[in-house]
Amino acid sequence: EVRLVESGGGLVQPGGSLRLSCAASGFTLSPYWMTWVRQAPGKGLEWVANIKQDGSEKYYVDSVKGRFTISRDNAKNSLYLQMNSLRAEDTAVYYCARGIQLWLWGQGTLVTVSS
Amino acid sequence: DIQMTQSPSSLSASVGDRVTITCRASQGISNFLAWFQQKPGKAPKSLIYAASSLQSGVPSRFSGSGSGTDFILTISSLQPEDFATYYCQQYSDYPYTFGQGTKLEIK
Repeated sequence: EVRLVESGGGLVQPGGSLRLSCAASGFTLSPYWMTWVRQAPGKGLEWVANIKQDGSEKYYVDSVKGRFTISRDNAKNSLYLQMNSLRAEDTAVYYCARGIQLWLWGQGTLVTVSS
Repeated sequence: DIQMTQSPSSLSASVGDRVTITCRASQGISNFLAWFQQKPGKAPKSLIYAASSLQSGVPSRFSGSGSGTDFILTISSLQPEDFATYYCQQYSDYPYTFGQGTKLEIK
């Protein structure tokens, strides 16, 4: 079965850090751009970042630039999101998705930033 | 940033109805537009990409049209499983942006 599985979410204090992972199964990650999208509780979808197949290009929404880093390990068939200097407004379900057109989504992992 | 505005924000309809949802971009995006469906507590699901191309496995009652700044998602005959929230998204210019969503409810 082709799927994406996120992990690494949890409760973190403001100013803290968290690293999310997204593991691909049933397909190889390497031919695809990969994307992170988030959804705050009760709110709409927000595109966060994406990364080119070889990691040579990365793009971010302004609100996370300088704090979040997207990366990938094609040998491990995995995508990552390192989140530093977390704020309350980063509280959301974080989804990884395949491609620029987001054809396949994971189930999401909840990140809660609170003291 | 390109702003994506969906209308209406919510919509009540009945099984069998034909429904249209509109998405407007604040500047031209050619056909770099996708549509997604999301049910409560679930991940979004891809319906349409490149404005009018149906994703594999998506029923043919879903269709998309438009180019430039104005786009439409049409559901030709609503089924019970179609009641959900729908989002458009542009992938023309970074940062890619979503519309605010349209909640489709049962009348």
